[in-house]
Amino acid sequence: SQKIEQNSEALNIQEGKTATLTCNYTNYSPAYLQWYRQDPGRGPVFLLLIRENEKEKRKERLKVTFDTTLKQSLFHITASQPADSATYLCALGTGANNLFFGTGTRLTVIP
Amino acid sequence: DADVTQTPRNRITKTGKRIMLECSQTKGHDRMYWYRQDPGLGLRLIYYSFDVKDINKGEISDGYSVSRQAQAKFSLSLESAIPNQTALYFCATSDQTGEYYGYTFGSGTRLTVV
Repeated sequence: SQKIEQNSEALNIQEGKTATLTCNYTNYSPAYLQWYRQDPGRGPVFLLLIRENEKEKRKERLKVTFDTTLKQSLFHITASQPADSATYLCALGTGANNLFFGTGTRLTVIP
Repeated sequence: DADVTQTPRNRITKTGKRIMLECSQTKGHDRMYWYRQDPGLGLRLIYYSFDVKDINKGEISDGYSVSRQAQAKFSLSLESAIPNQTALYFCATSDQTGEYYGYTFGSGTRLTVV
């Protein structure tokens, strides 16, 4: 069966450290992978895209890697801040232009 | 004003009632989607529409119907609500591919069926 798993439901990290979130998938052949941020009571907000032929993408303090052999994406937030506290969702895009979401990891950055 | 507006924000309804959730957008996107979000299950696609004349079922369409009244409006109906339809519902839009700029989500409707 198809599955998208994000490493843990919750992750606590000290301010200033690098947060690393994991997204693993099975039985998908994604053309691209996206990461979203979701705050309580709000809809997800798009952060970054990485395509199947790309290994790494960066945007300010964010970095995403994509390993289609391992079927895994890693999402890094460097120099984390309390304002980074949120739930982060990975989403796989297939050629049919549908997006399949993981369950999310709730990140808390402790001052 | 928000790019994607959902109404109502919260709704409590009784089992067996018909309810409609509405979504409007100012993004000018052709594609619109309805998702529901449940704890531990993530976002699951209910219906999607690639233009006004195109409606498609998602992975969990049973018990739901949709109407695309215009490019900017996409409504979701529960014909006879049941308690396991209690969830957070999101409308989203995308451009033709949804790839480069992601989906734009509304703020959600929290629906409780009692």
